[in-house]
Amino acid sequence: KQEVTQIPAALSVPEGENLVLNCSFTDSAIYNLQWFRQDPGKGLTSLLLIQSSQREQTSGRLNASLDKSSGRSTLYIAASQPGDSATYLCATYNTDKLIFGTGTRLQVFP
Amino acid sequence: DTGVSQNPRHKITKRGQNVTFRCDPISEHNRLYWYRQTLGQGPEFLTYFQNEAQLEKSRLLSDRFSAERPKGSFSTLEIQRTEQGDSAMYLCASSLIPGYGTPNTGELFFGEGSRLTVL
Repeated sequence: KQEVTQIPAALSVPEGENLVLNCSFTDSAIYNLQWFRQDPGKGLTSLLLIQSSQREQTSGRLNASLDKSSGRSTLYIAASQPGDSATYLCATYNTDKLIFGTGTRLQVFP
Repeated sequence: DTGVSQNPRHKITKRGQNVTFRCDPISEHNRLYWYRQTLGQGPEFLTYFQNEAQLEKSRLLSDRFSAERPKGSFSTLEIQRTEQGDSAMYLCASSLIPGYGTPNTGELFFGEGSRLTVL
């Protein structure tokens, strides 16, 4: 059974810092890995999708990497802004459904 | 394309009542998923459809829960005889995969969710 863990559970940083969010998973036989952002009381917004054959994806200030052999993914956020404050969730596909971690709650203060 | 739409956004009900949530996926998306999320937790899988066929149900989906996707377009999730433990955010998501029986390597898009409060 796939288990997804995200560390840290919460993070508070000043504006402008570069930061790394970590995601680990127990079963490396995944089809893809997806990172999401969730604002309080809202649904999930897809940030990046990494296929199993890929090692990283980039979108703007975001870069996500995938190392299947070690069961890890990282989300790198460059030059953080207060608007980046949200919960970030990673999720993996093993069969036909996404398995989610519990998320990292990020606060970026001015 | 307006994205995944869910209604109602909020529902407050008394214990024992029935509630129904509706999800309209992105047009032409053949896969539709239902997830449940409680405060501070990640979403938990409930069930999914490939077109109109319900292919998998989680053991979280008790007999009081039923989901349908009658014409392979919109879906409904009904909860009968609600309990306080059913209070959660119910999330719907859709994706497009190339062919039946192939792994879902497509990106999953979520709606804004339907928040249920059972008093």
